[in-house]
Amino acid sequence: EVQLVESGGGLVQPGGSLRLSCAASGFIFSNYWMIWARQAPGKGLEWVANMDIDGSDKYYVKSVKGRFTISRDNTKNSLYLQMNSLRADDTAVYYCARGVGRTPDYWGQGTLVTVSP
Amino acid sequence: DVVMTQSPLSLPVTLGQPASISCRSSQSLVHSDGNTYLNWFQQRPGQSPRRLIYKVSNWDSGVPDRFSGSGSGTDFTLKISRVEAEDVGVYYCMQGTYWPPTFGQGTKVEI
Repeated sequence: EVQLVESGGGLVQPGGSLRLSCAASGFIFSNYWMIWARQAPGKGLEWVANMDIDGSDKYYVKSVKGRFTISRDNTKNSLYLQMNSLRADDTAVYYCARGVGRTPDYWGQGTLVTVSP
Repeated sequence: DVVMTQSPLSLPVTLGQPASISCRSSQSLVHSDGNTYLNWFQQRPGQSPRRLIYKVSNWDSGVPDRFSGSGSGTDFTLKISRVEAEDVGVYYCMQGTYWPPTFGQGTKVEI
């Protein structure tokens, strides 16, 4: 069974940093590209970043480019999102998802990031 | 970025009756490889998104066949043939033809 478990969310002050992790199991992690997406409270879904199987290709949406860094460790079946210079509008549930073709198929349960003084 | 527009944004439904959600894209979703990367996701209350349909009309494993997807180019539809109580939630269309992938605003289905 495919499982994606996010962790690392919490309350952080504006300008602060957080590192999210996503532990994958139930599939061969190194065979799949991976995604971070987010959902602000009561709002819709937003693509944040994605990374190919070996980390050689990464994409970031404009609003996080230069502040967030996506990475992975295929030896630990883990995906990461380093978030710096956090702003109030980064407050959201952050999901990791597995990429197949040009779409996410499985999503984790999410981890809440709250940016507030 | 490609804009995805769903309608309606709120859909009151009656159990056992059909329901339909429309999704329009700001440009054609036909990829240069010939595929159309339009997907549908269901998000039940308090849960993470679950993919129901990929590439317009293909069911994901375990998805009931009362759900169906159709459309082409810029106009797409998700239909529920007979709504059940477990179908309550928010439905999102998502395009993966252009980067970044973008989602519709979501359609809230409620009984």
